[in-house]
Amino acid sequence: DSGVTQTPKHLITATGQRVTLRCSPRSGDLSVYWYQQSLDQGLQFLIQYYNGEERAKGNILERFSAQQFPDLHSELNLSSLELGDSALYFCASSVRTSGYNEQFFGPGTRLTVL
Amino acid sequence: AQKITQTQPGMFVQEKEAVTLDCTYDTSDQSYGLFWYKQPSSGEMIFLIYQGSYDEQNATEGRYSLNFQKARKSANLVISASQLGDSAMYFCAMREGLFPGNQFYFGTGTSLTVIP
Repeated sequence: DSGVTQTPKHLITATGQRVTLRCSPRSGDLSVYWYQQSLDQGLQFLIQYYNGEERAKGNILERFSAQQFPDLHSELNLSSLELGDSALYFCASSVRTSGYNEQFFGPGTRLTVL
Repeated sequence: AQKITQTQPGMFVQEKEAVTLDCTYDTSDQSYGLFWYKQPSSGEMIFLIYQGSYDEQNATEGRYSLNFQKARKSANLVISASQLGDSAMYFCAMREGLFPGNQFYFGTGTSLTVIP
């Protein structure tokens, strides 16, 4: 157990809909990262927050948005869903005062768009 | 240019043999960290090993070691005495710079299959 929690574990929805994925980082971790993993595209970095502020942006579509709240949990909002958005969405957290500051990954949310 | 390159989409190894998974990286920073992660078929991402750019010794964690060749910008993962449970996807990653909250760059992964 990495200490990072993600809800829901599975999500099945229809094209055109909007969903929200939730992530709680490990206690003490300030940074949250979101990744999309499709079968044919590997691990794609979407966006990163550090202590409530957006820090880095990757290949995130305009239909997607995210935020990190004062309690450091984060939400990824996906709207106008398309079939191609079906993927495993990971949240990871890092940044504390000890260790290698490796990223700890949550179990992922598997999104299926029908 | 790709920050992390993993050129082996798939690898096979006999049980109890050693295997090397290749990773090359591209950065102009002097300070960076290199990471390897394992993703079994269950989907979770598991941190395996870390190498800092200033570390003179190759990192080791149990049966995992990192063959760090700074001049060649390579950070190959060596798994000794392969076990069936080692069958998984393996991702190499890099974090540039000193700030621990900097972005991670991941490679495309290598799928390892351990044959009994």
